[in-house]
Amino acid sequence: EVQLLESGGGLVQSGGSLRLSCAASGFTFSNYGMSWVRQAPGKGLEWVSGITGTYDSPYYADSVKGRFTISRDTSKNTLNLEMNSLRAEDTAVYYCAKGTSGWYSVCESWGQGTLVTVSS
Amino acid sequence: QSVLTQPPSVSAAPGQDVTISCSGSNSNIGNNYVSWYQQLPGTAPKLLIYDNNKRPSGIPDRFSGSKSGTSATLDITGLQTGDEADYYCGTWGSSLNVVFGGGTKLTVL
Repeated sequence: EVQLLESGGGLVQSGGSLRLSCAASGFTFSNYGMSWVRQAPGKGLEWVSGITGTYDSPYYADSVKGRFTISRDTSKNTLNLEMNSLRAEDTAVYYCAKGTSGWYSVCESWGQGTLVTVSS
Repeated sequence: QSVLTQPPSVSAAPGQDVTISCSGSNSNIGNNYVSWYQQLPGTAPKLLIYDNNKRPSGIPDRFSGSKSGTSATLDITGLQTGDEADYYCGTWGSSLNVVFGGGTKLTVL
């Protein structure tokens, strides 16, 4: 059974940094594309970043490019999101999601999410 | 404003059928597969449909998807009260980004 467990959320001041992690189990982690998707309070889904399987190529939404960095640690089966220069508009629940293949466009399984609150 | 356009809300009575639309362009839906997600209140999203019309294991066949040109639709037949949720479409956008619709709130009257 696929399990994804996010951690690292919390309250941070504007301009600050935070590192989110997603512990993955139940599948061969290195082979699959993974995404971070966020949802601001009362709003819809927004894709934040994705990383391909095997070659770990990273991709970012324009809204976070240059500020966020996605990575994976295959020795720990963990997906990470390093978030710098945080802004109030980054406040959201952040979900990690598993792709259906080496790509990440289809979010087949989701974690329960971790809340990031950026105070201005 | 979302790249993909969905109606903010739809409603129908139990047992009836409902269709949710998702409109895009050649830069996204027109040249890519579409996925659909269901988000029940207070929970994480769940994959309902992928590759336009395929259902993951465990998804009832009351849920079906289709695509034509730059639009996609999610059909739900025989509505149940447990179907009350937010529904999102998603697909590839430009530069290997992923784009979602703004979401549609389904109310089962």
